[in-house]
Amino acid sequence: DAGITQSPRHKVTETGTPVTLRCHQTENHRYMYWYRQDPGHGLRLIHYSYGVKDTDKGEVSDGYSVSRSKTEDFLLTLESATSSQTSVYFCAISLEGPYSRANVLTFGAGSRLTVL
Amino acid sequence: RKEVEQDPGPFNVPEGATVAFNCTYSNSASQSFFWYRQDCRKEPKLLMSVYSSGNEDGRFTAQLNRASQYISLLIRDSKLSDSATYLCVVNKNSNSGYALNFGKGTSLLVTP
Repeated sequence: DAGITQSPRHKVTETGTPVTLRCHQTENHRYMYWYRQDPGHGLRLIHYSYGVKDTDKGEVSDGYSVSRSKTEDFLLTLESATSSQTSVYFCAISLEGPYSRANVLTFGAGSRLTVL
Repeated sequence: RKEVEQDPGPFNVPEGATVAFNCTYSNSASQSFFWYRQDCRKEPKLLMSVYSSGNEDGRFTAQLNRASQYISLLIRDSKLSDSATYLCVVNKNSNSGYALNFGKGTSLLVTP
């Protein structure tokens, strides 16, 4: 299996608190992504990164920020968590970019976040 | 029309049965198509890419119909271990923004 580690795997927090989820990869893939998965929705892209310090917004980026200071680490931050951000968050990596026909994603195990 | 649509199921089939899922997509310019498998409370994993001419991987066959804008997944000789949710993924072939659309998934339960 690809080396992708997400932490924490489970977190319960209160509305208004900051939360940071970490994704760490050992595959040296250039592209990294954060998705959220909710019942009744397909996986939705929050942010992605195409290199160190290079990031861009996805379709549901409001309320989230990201940082990538090293190739292997991609952080997702909820500055002030809300109940609508209760979800399962998946990090993914890929060798090819988002516009490549061969863009195959490898996912981490997920981080389950509950905001009370 | 939603960008990627799948019948959510569940499809309940006996072991050994053949089962087929369809997925429709709205963007006629899409170029890349995939099936991912997701087990309960696990991450999605690539099952197979879908090529224009159709492709097979063991008991799994994927087909693409560009004219009708759908892709299909056929599973022959179903095993208990095939029980999972199958996600249809289509790219947007767009010059801006993100590029992959995920369907909500089709749930398959294979029973003894």
